[in-house]
Amino acid sequence: AQKVTQAQTEISVVEKEDVTLDCVYETRDTTYYLFWYKQPPSGELVFLIRRNSFDEQNEISGRYSWNFQKSTSSFNFTITASQVVDSAVYFCALASQGKLIFGTGTRLQVFP
Amino acid sequence: GAVVSQHPSRVICKSGTSVKIECRSLDFQATTMFWYRQFPKQSLMLMATSNEGSKATYEQGVEKDKFLINHASLTLSTLTVTSAHPEDSSFYICSARRTGDFFGQGTRLTVV
Repeated sequence: AQKVTQAQTEISVVEKEDVTLDCVYETRDTTYYLFWYKQPPSGELVFLIRRNSFDEQNEISGRYSWNFQKSTSSFNFTITASQVVDSAVYFCALASQGKLIFGTGTRLQVFP
Repeated sequence: GAVVSQHPSRVICKSGTSVKIECRSLDFQATTMFWYRQFPKQSLMLMATSNEGSKATYEQGVEKDKFLINHASLTLSTLTVTSAHPEDSSFYICSARRTGDFFGQGTRLTVV
C-alpha cells in the first residue's frame, strides 16, 4: 500500500525553538519522490522540497532542513529557530504512479 | 517559479445550482492537472486527474457526473460542481504538473 503518516497532529512551540515534523511513508515503488508542502491559513499550498528516492543526502535551505532515511522510510523536516510566520499546516506527500498521496498534515503553531 | 491561478477564491451558491472553478497555469503549459478536495482540518484527497484533450480520470468514489472536469487547453482546467448540495461545501484546490506539482490558491465553496 502507498501511504504517508504524519503522526503529529499539532505542535506548539515558542519562537526561536527548533521543531521537527515527522513523516513516515510506505511504498512498493523502487523509484519515488517525496515532498513537503506548507499550507498557511490563506489556504494555498506552498512547495518546499522534492526529494528523489535515490538521493539520500540531507538538505538544508536557510532555517529548513530535511532528513531522508530510506532505511526507516522517513523524511523528517526540521525548522531551526522557528518564527511566528512558520505557523501553518505542513504536509508530507509521496508521488506514486503519477499521483500525490498526502499525509494528514501537522499543524504547527509558533507563539511569540 | 511556476504560477497556478485558481478562480474564484470563494463562492457561495444556492443548493441545486452549478458552480465552475477555473485553474490556470500562468507561465507554463500543463498537460496534466489535478483536482483535490479538502475538508476542514483534514488532508487533501485527490478527486481526479485532468489530462489536456482527453477525459479526466476520476478516483474511486468520486461522481463524474457531479464533478465535471474539462481540460480544453494546456493552460486551463475547469471543475464544475453540478446541482450543488450543502455536503459539497468544501475547499477545492487544483495543481498543475511541471517538474513538480504547483498548486492554486484554492476555492472555498459554500452551498446554502
